[in-house]
Amino acid sequence: AQSVTQLGSHVSVSEGALVLLRCNYSSSVPPYLFWYVQYPNQGLQLLLKYTTGATLVKGINGFEAEFKKSETSFHLTKPSAHMSDAAEYFCAVSRYNFNKFYFGSGTKLNVKP
Amino acid sequence: GAGVSQSPRYKVAKRGQDVALRCDPISGHVSLFWYQQALGQGPEFLTYFQNEAQLDKSGLPSDRFFAERPEGSVSTLKIQRTQQEDSAVYLCASSLAGTADSGNEQYFGPGTRLTVT
Repeated sequence: AQSVTQLGSHVSVSEGALVLLRCNYSSSVPPYLFWYVQYPNQGLQLLLKYTTGATLVKGINGFEAEFKKSETSFHLTKPSAHMSDAAEYFCAVSRYNFNKFYFGSGTKLNVKP
Repeated sequence: GAGVSQSPRYKVAKRGQDVALRCDPISGHVSLFWYQQALGQGPEFLTYFQNEAQLDKSGLPSDRFFAERPEGSVSTLKIQRTQQEDSAVYLCASSLAGTADSGNEQYFGPGTRLTVT
């Protein structure tokens, strides 16, 4: 069975500060892991994904995430927050030959000036 | 290029009415997915099509929910006799490949916000 836990439904950071959004997953087999961002009244946009290979994955807008199998985590980071990063972020898990995503409940990021 | 489009963007229905939600996937995408996103929650899987074949409908909450994709492109999600608990955003996504064997990205539409009064 697959499930995704995002710790912290709301995270607030100051502009220029480090962004850290947490995601832990459970999966019976090696997972595929995704981070999506959702702006108000818009669909989900892919930030980055991990399938195989290098465990540190770089995405768009300066975001990156590291797959840590031993910790079953895939936390999203960005060194310096920008006002335009304010949005809701969703972590999702899938796996080989499995045609659905399981999403976490989301984390709303607020960026203070 | 054009992304996934959904219509209508907003729908208000009285309890008991039937509704139909449309999804136009990206041209050439084999896979199509429907998700339900309740307020404050992440999307939850409803159903999946590979071309015109509905291969997984395990997430449909009741037999009032029905989805089709007759020609392997446009899809319609129909909800009969709507109930207040059906109020949610319904998201459609499409993917190029037929399986998730390489972790294929799903491209999402903007969603249809359904409010049942």
